[in-house]
Amino acid sequence: DVQLTQSPSSLSASVGDRVTITCRASQSISSFLNWYQQKPGKAPKLVIYVASILQSGVPSRFSGSGSGTDFTLTISSLQPDDFATYYCQQTYSPPLTFGRGTKVEIK
Amino acid sequence: EVQLVESGGGFVQPGGSLRLSCAASGFSFTAYWIHWVRQAPGKGLVWVSRINIDGTITTYADSVKGRFTISRDNAKNTVYLQMNSLRAEDTAVYYCARGDLYYHDSCDSWGQGSLVTVSS
Repeated sequence: DVQLTQSPSSLSASVGDRVTITCRASQSISSFLNWYQQKPGKAPKLVIYVASILQSGVPSRFSGSGSGTDFTLTISSLQPDDFATYYCQQTYSPPLTFGRGTKVEIK
Repeated sequence: EVQLVESGGGFVQPGGSLRLSCAASGFSFTAYWIHWVRQAPGKGLVWVSRINIDGTITTYADSVKGRFTISRDNAKNTVYLQMNSLRAEDTAVYYCARGDLYYHDSCDSWGQGSLVTVSS
């Protein structure tokens, strides 16, 4: 199975900060990586798919990059609505594993 | 409006069975793959299973293989997850999610979740 390692597991940031979350795969997964946002008590929401494609309706301050084994999710200017937990997920080969999540908290 | 509504969750003893349903509306159901993803209380997301548009391709996580069965009824716009031989570690909120039309494993719409509790 492909293992995904997300870092950091949590971070504190202020509104307006640039935030970067990384996801490393245990083997090359080409660009088959998604990013999801989840708020407490809510279902996840797709943010980025195929490593860098912004899901419809998601603000342009979100961006994704990477290929192979190393990927990043960047929020260019953190907004109050962005405080949540973010998960990466590989879709290169089943089982479609998720990272353990990164909780973005208010500083 | 795309809607996915899970039902069938509840409390069951270890070794018991439950069947979850995922009722879809607001889109062309027969064109989309459907996934199940679960989340134990306070824990992260775990992918469980997926099914293709006509039910001929099904895939499972190792942890549920042989115990869970995914199926779909395209006439009823519904996907099912039959869960047998349930264990305490299967306790979780179970979400059904729609795969993107072209990238079938990117889940672009999710239900609200259904809680399954396995306990004696």
